[in-house]
Amino acid sequence: GDQVEQSPSALSLHEGTGSALRCNFTTTMRAVQWFQQNSRGSLINLFYLASGTKENGRLKSTFNSKESYSTLHIRDAQLEDSGTYFCAAERDTGYQNFYFGKGTSLTVIP
Amino acid sequence: GGIITQTPKFLIGQEGQKLTLKCQQNFNHDTMYWYRQDSGKGLRLIYYSITENDLQKGDLSEGYDASREKKSSFSLTVTSAQKNEMAVFLCASSHWGYAEQFFGPGTRLTVL
Repeated sequence: GDQVEQSPSALSLHEGTGSALRCNFTTTMRAVQWFQQNSRGSLINLFYLASGTKENGRLKSTFNSKESYSTLHIRDAQLEDSGTYFCAAERDTGYQNFYFGKGTSLTVIP
Repeated sequence: GGIITQTPKFLIGQEGQKLTLKCQQNFNHDTMYWYRQDSGKGLRLIYYSITENDLQKGDLSEGYDASREKKSSFSLTVTSAQKNEMAVFLCASSHWGYAEQFFGPGTRLTVL
């Protein structure tokens, strides 16, 4: 089964509003990474967390290894935030082996 | 800063053909990865390598070979191209012990 369950699969936001994306893990993970995939297909690094919370501009991410989830909060959404957001989690066993969620397709509406 | 380059950007092959994709990084990273992304889906790990001449299989390694010729380069070979594996192949790299990954722009494979 899938190691990483990402939700929602699709999301529409009006400009200026915000929401949260979530990844739940079915096994213990030691770290999580969040990416934005733009319209050209490039994966842009947003956050890498081994624990706790990080914030960068209008984005904030939290990783709770004990409760097996991570969230990505977007506030004051802008048109350029549109794209597909992926979380990738590294298992606590094995070596640097990441499992990706299926992605959240975000559309920001003017 | 650094960069990951993938060649070619687009690859068109015939069914049954052996095809090679190349990846170079100048981050001086130890670990390199190959992922496959099917249309509208997440990434799945094919192979990764933690150092020169090392190879580790991911969940999707069947039908592929890989080669880590030197620290900066990692090649992926599709041993016999099939129509159902048309996808984008993404290369990534990270430092040993700190696994934040950085991705290349991808190679889009089309099999005729």
